[in-house]
Parts: sequence; C-alpha cells; structure tokens
Amino acid sequence: NAGVTQTPKFQVLKTGQSMTLQCAQDMNHEYMSWYRQDPGMGLRLIHYSVGAGITDQGEVPNGYNVSRSTTEDFPLRLLSAAPSQTSVYFCASSYSGTGSHEQYFGPGTRLTVT
Amino acid sequence: RKEVEQDPGPFNVPEGATVAFNCTYSNSASQSFFWYRQDCRKEPKLLMSVYSSGNEDGRFTAQLNRASQYISLLIRDSKLSDSATYLCVVNERGSTLGRLYFGRGTQLTVWP
Repeated sequence: NAGVTQTPKFQVLKTGQSMTLQCAQDMNHEYMSWYRQDPGMGLRLIHYSVGAGITDQGEVPNGYNVSRSTTEDFPLRLLSAAPSQTSVYFCASSYSGTGSHEQYFGPGTRLTVT
Repeated sequence: RKEVEQDPGPFNVPEGATVAFNCTYSNSASQSFFWYRQDCRKEPKLLMSVYSSGNEDGRFTAQLNRASQYISLLIRDSKLSDSATYLCVVNERGSTLGRLYFGRGTQLTVWP
C-alpha cells in the first residue's frame, strides 16, 4: 500500500492564483481530512469528509473548497491564494470518523504564496 | 482558550535521560487521547494511544488523569532517535466526525 499520497510536495503561487492540492489513499478509509500547520500554531482542521459525497467544514475553512467524489481522493482547492495561506498542508485518513482510530498522514505540501 | 495546551519546550536531554511531557485539555467531554510524533519537516505519526488505566510501550509510558484533564508522556532511557516534536491529540466525546484537536507540540532534542 502506498498509504496517503499528496501532490505536489512544494508549490509557489502568486496572490490571486488558484490551485488544487491532491490527496489520495489506498487503504479504503472512509474518513479523510485536510490540516494546515503553521509555526507555533499546531495542526488546524480545514475540511473533512466522512465518506464519498459528504464533506464538512473544520476550524479554518475560509478560502478553501473540497470535494469527495470517490473514497480514494480528497482534493483541496485554493480559490484565490493569499499570503496568509502560506503553510504546510497535510492530508490524513482513518478507518472511521469516530476519532478513535489512528490517522494516517500524507507527506505534506509546502505552499508559499507571494 | 486553546483546546489542547502543551509546553513547547524545547527539551534538551542527554542520551539515557528520562524526560516527561505534559498536556492539558479544556473539554471535559474529550474521549480519545493520543501522542503523535513528528520529525522535522515530516508528517505526524501515531506514537501511542492513551488509555484511562495508563499504558506502556517499551520505553514510553502514557498516563491520563481525567479529573485534572491532564495527559502525560514519559520517555525512559532516551535515544538520539527520540529527537522529534511530540504532539498531544484529543477528540471529543460524541464526535462521530473525527474532530481531533492537536496541541502545538513539544520539541525534544536528545544529545550524545
């Protein structure tokens, strides 16, 4: 199993550009989520999904969209990039949405917005 | 007030030392508790779950005190490879949606 994969690993955007961060998992996990990690802030939940076709907002959803058309994929779209979105983005998946199961993280995408 | 509070450190200890990290959480309804480990510029990985009765995994011991809303991680006989950031993680009772709250992490450096 590849686990959780994310692309790209690094990205530089100009303010106002849009892009999609890709996330895929091959463990047949129902639950997937996106976090951002900023220095001194810890991981913050952006959006999550409890299954195909079901998504919801986390703690910091503004400026981001998600969709979940398949169990495997959970892309994160930045609508109009802003310097405040410079961060490391992690996608994670787990067996269920109860929070009692281990979350598996992808390697992260390091995004810089200039 | 942040859901999960941790001492950010850094903790700098020699090999072989015993080191303890503490974490407090604000929501008394929290149900599940974990310690994750994050190496520099890498993704977090589960180190261990924390059970009410306390649990041990080799050199690592985790304790939970629900009355004080406090979680601890003890590392005995520290190794150089233990150098990392340790994240305290909790989720809420009744949350069927997997909402996990992460502490900011405690940085540990073990020196030879």
